[in-house]
Amino acid sequence: SQQGEEDPQALSIQEGENATMNCSYKTSINNLQWYRQNSGRGLVHLILIRSNEREKHSGRLRVTLDTSKKSSSLLITASRAADTASYFCARPLTSYDKVIFGPGTSLSVIP
Amino acid sequence: DAGVIQSPRHEVTEMGQEVTLRCKPISGHNSLFWYRQTMMRGLELLIYFNNNVPIDDSGMPEDRFSAKMPNASFSTLKIQPSEPRDSAVYFCASSSGTSNQPQHFGDGTRLSIL
Repeated sequence: SQQGEEDPQALSIQEGENATMNCSYKTSINNLQWYRQNSGRGLVHLILIRSNEREKHSGRLRVTLDTSKKSSSLLITASRAADTASYFCARPLTSYDKVIFGPGTSLSVIP
Repeated sequence: DAGVIQSPRHEVTEMGQEVTLRCKPISGHNSLFWYRQTMMRGLELLIYFNNNVPIDDSGMPEDRFSAKMPNASFSTLKIQPSEPRDSAVYFCASSSGTSNQPQHFGDGTRLSIL
């Protein structure tokens, strides 16, 4: 599959804990993106990390990229109940603008 | 700013009927994408347009599916005739046209074919 693949498929943590989700891919990329989807809503873009970047931060989110291992991770620190959602990694194929989404990680943050 | 607007939000119809889903992308975006999301198959790209021109429709499952983008501010996805296995959430997304730009999603149309 050319998809990014996330793991774990599901993650349940207590509020205040950190959540880490991983994404692996198979071919070389020029960037990788992370999205969040709340129940019943569309996907929302979180962070884009380019292939020449190792780490990127946005608020409580930290994304790392290891191109040698073809993997990325999304860390959510000090999680909140409102972080409960599905998280997807996505990467563009070589064709213009086409992005492939992985199957997602379902995160549950228990108050 | 208005986001991507999809209509209807919910559609329930009987098999064999024609279904038309509508999308208004964000103004200024020149790429538009149609996705289908199911529990079994996840998020699948059906077709995408750039500057109103279909670029890749390899994800369109069958000839029963068709998509048009008559202008920069409107697109439709049509299923005719519809079948129960078409039941899914259909999303439209738009972007400013490069692979390094994020996609902005609408809230989807939840389609149920009885």
